[in-house]
Amino acid sequence: DVKVTQSSRYLVKRTGEKVFLECVQDMDHENMFWYRQDPGLGLRLIYFSYDVKMKEKGDIPEGYSVSREKKERFSLILESASTNQTSMYLCASRAVSYNEQFFGPGTRLTVL
Amino acid sequence: SQQGEEDPQALSIQEGENATMNCSYKTSINNLQWYRQNSGRGLVHLILIRSNEREKHSGRLRVTLDTSKKSSSLLITASRAADTASYFCAWEYYGNNRLAFGKGNQVVVIP
Repeated sequence: DVKVTQSSRYLVKRTGEKVFLECVQDMDHENMFWYRQDPGLGLRLIYFSYDVKMKEKGDIPEGYSVSREKKERFSLILESASTNQTSMYLCASRAVSYNEQFFGPGTRLTVL
Repeated sequence: SQQGEEDPQALSIQEGENATMNCSYKTSINNLQWYRQNSGRGLVHLILIRSNEREKHSGRLRVTLDTSKKSSSLLITASRAADTASYFCAWEYYGNNRLAFGKGNQVVVIP
């Protein structure tokens, strides 16, 4: 089974802090994605990566950056956390040969 | 971004009944997928239907796709308490690997 893990289930940070959210997948998937999920808004794509060292902006990239130095790891970075970035963050991976995405358990981030 | 609408937003049913939820999208698609999310957890893929298919079954799930109306429906037959979850449709844009997600349906199955 594909396993996608995220570094923390719950995280509390203060406004202005730099925040790193880590995602690791164990199935050699080429594509990886970061979403945020907010009540009533569904999932919105922040950034995605087609392969190592490649990244593309999603629908709401402002205030975020990403890093993909190794194929299995995709990091989401909040350069200076703000309260409006309080949300559930979901990472997903996908093999090029398949259409479905595999999701991690999510990180619920609270910015105070 | 493309945000679809699923109707109804929340559904409460008795165990053994069928649950139907709908999804609409606005663009040309490669495929449409349905995912389930249990409370506070990640999403799990349920079923995929390609743009050239009209209906697909998987166990107690039946999904339909009408590309002329840009809509899909998910039917869960003989529901169980364990089916209590949020259900999201997601469509893959024609020409790329991105998914756009609908706002989700919350389904509560009462034992």
